[in-house]
Amino acid sequence: DGGITQSPKYLFRKEGQNVTLSCEQNLNHDAMYWYRQDPGQGLRLIYYSQIVNDFQKGDIAEGYSVSREKKESFPLTVTSAQKNPTAFYLCASAEYSNQPQHFGDGTRLSIL
Amino acid sequence: SQQGEEDPQALSIQEGENATMNCSYKTSINNLQWYRQNSGRGLVHLILIRSNEREKHSGRLRVTLDTSKKSSSLLITASRAADTASYFCAPYILAGGGNKLTFGTGTQLKVEL
Repeated sequence: DGGITQSPKYLFRKEGQNVTLSCEQNLNHDAMYWYRQDPGQGLRLIYYSQIVNDFQKGDIAEGYSVSREKKESFPLTVTSAQKNPTAFYLCASAEYSNQPQHFGDGTRLSIL
Repeated sequence: SQQGEEDPQALSIQEGENATMNCSYKTSINNLQWYRQNSGRGLVHLILIRSNEREKHSGRLRVTLDTSKKSSSLLITASRAADTASYFCAPYILAGGGNKLTFGTGTQLKVEL
């Protein structure tokens, strides 16, 4: 089955620690996205990539970093510079930027 | 900044009734998409309506788009308990800083037996 997989489902971060969230897709999509969702709120765009080896900042990129070395993979690192990282993180992919996005089931990040 | 704003924020209806959710946006769009999110899960795409379309149907879903009023509506007919979820509109906005899909804060729909 084609789809998009996020791991882990739950993640805990200690103070001063960087953590990396995984996102893998086998849909052969060029575009990939990372969103943050806080309780009762909509999705805010962190980073996006429209092609391998290229990515752009979204609306709330500070304290986050990404890489896009392979078409299938778009990992997100939450750095210690992100002071309020507790949230639900969603990864998505799309064939083109104006086409429907396919979402993973998210990673819930909490602070220890 | 969020472009799509849904109304109402929450909606509770009885099974079998129709549910209508509205969305407003601020700038020119290429298309507008609706998504559904079950609690603790990722979003699922429901329907896409292009800027030159006025109405679109998919099963029990009906979406309208009025670009002159910068608004859209999602109608779910003959609702079921399984329709309980949050629904988000997502206008694909045309912006000088980069075209992108933007999400509203969602309408929480509860369908009671």
